[in-house]
Amino acid sequence: DSGVTQTPKHLITATGQRVTLRCSPRSGDLSVYWYQQSLDQGLQFLIQYYNGEERAKGNILERFSAQQFPDLHSELNLSSLELGDSALYFCASSVNSVSDTQYFGPGTRLTVL
Amino acid sequence: GQQVMQIPQYQHVQEGEDFTTYCNSSTTLSNIQWYKQRPGGHPVFLIQLVKSGEVKKQKRLTFQFGEAKKNSSLHITATQTTDVGTYFCAGKNPGNNRKLIWGLGTSLAVNP
Repeated sequence: DSGVTQTPKHLITATGQRVTLRCSPRSGDLSVYWYQQSLDQGLQFLIQYYNGEERAKGNILERFSAQQFPDLHSELNLSSLELGDSALYFCASSVNSVSDTQYFGPGTRLTVL
Repeated sequence: GQQVMQIPQYQHVQEGEDFTTYCNSSTTLSNIQWYKQRPGGHPVFLIQLVKSGEVKKQKRLTFQFGEAKKNSSLHITATQTTDVGTYFCAGKNPGNNRKLIWGLGTSLAVNP
């Protein structure tokens, strides 16, 4: 158990819909990262937040957005969903913005029908 | 942009055989990390290498960081079925953004 929690574990929805994925980092970690993992794409870094502020951006689509709240939990919002958005979405946390070790949550499996 | 290439993409070995995965960066890295993801699981941090030419061992796993800090390898001696999973390398960009650049992973299957 990494100490990072993610909800929900599974999510099934239809194209065009909007969903919110939630992540709680390890106690004391200030930085949160979001990743997308699909079968043919490996781990794709989406975005990083540190202490409530966006710190780094990866291959995140405009239809996707994220935020980190004062209690440090984070939410990833996915809108206008397409079939290709079906994937595992991982959240990871680290102690600070440049800390090297990332601790991953169990992931949310999103299925778009 | 900066890339981290990982080879091979897949590897099938017989239990007891050795296994090596290689990670190559297009630019010099400040450090490199290795993660393991079991089937159905999430990536778990294994190790970080920082110094040029560094070698670290964890039981049957040997990690190396190249002299130029542009490549790395993970070698597993006498594989076991518990080694099954995908091994990712992730290199830290030494520039201003210091982002972690991930390889696509090597999936290891071990036949008992």
